[in-house]
Amino acid sequence: AAGVIQSPRHLIKEKRETATLKCYPIPRHDTVYWYQQGPGQDPQFLISFYEKMQSDKGSIPDRFSAQQFSDYHSELNMSSLELGDSALYFCASSSTEGQPGLYGYTFGSGTRLTVV
Amino acid sequence: DQQVKQNSPSLSVQEGRISILNCDYTNSMFDYFLWYKKYPAEGPTFLISISSIKDKNEDGRFTVFLNKSAKHLSLHIVPSQPGDSAVYFCAASVSPREKLTFGTGTRLTIIP
Repeated sequence: AAGVIQSPRHLIKEKRETATLKCYPIPRHDTVYWYQQGPGQDPQFLISFYEKMQSDKGSIPDRFSAQQFSDYHSELNMSSLELGDSALYFCASSSTEGQPGLYGYTFGSGTRLTVV
Repeated sequence: DQQVKQNSPSLSVQEGRISILNCDYTNSMFDYFLWYKKYPAEGPTFLISISSIKDKNEDGRFTVFLNKSAKHLSLHIVPSQPGDSAVYFCAASVSPREKLTFGTGTRLTIIP
């Protein structure tokens, strides 16, 4: 079965550079979520989109922005990168059909961003 | 403010025995609770979930118990297998499709 695809898997950037992370949700999933997991920490919610509109916002820095496109894929844009942005970034998707809160979101394998 | 807490950062269990992972939450608005298993450098994998209208949900070797009055849930794995060694996160949301709030995780090690 198709899963949530994230690209790239690994990314190394220098301080003050810009990074773009991509997420391709499971087909027919209409909601996308972004999470950040720092070293030794639990995943923290950043932002979510439902039907291409921002649906919720968490602890996302102003230097970050995200959007969901017409094909439902999403991109997380990160500018003026800082060392503290080094983390695993996960994307998850769910569908409004059925009860995804009961059956769980599906997470991608993540993008490991290293800022040097 | 950690709304979902897993007070045991690590747990070691003999193969074949029962593993019990615990999770406490503070937000009484949470209505859906999920358990995820995570290997290093991989995304969380959904294991089992429960809604607040139930106090138990079972799926094979995995059972989740919910005590709403105590704001406590637990995951039982029986019998434990070496492949169960991973970090387990509990997560909660106020409604389906809402953002998840994760606990801090418990590293489970199954000893052969």
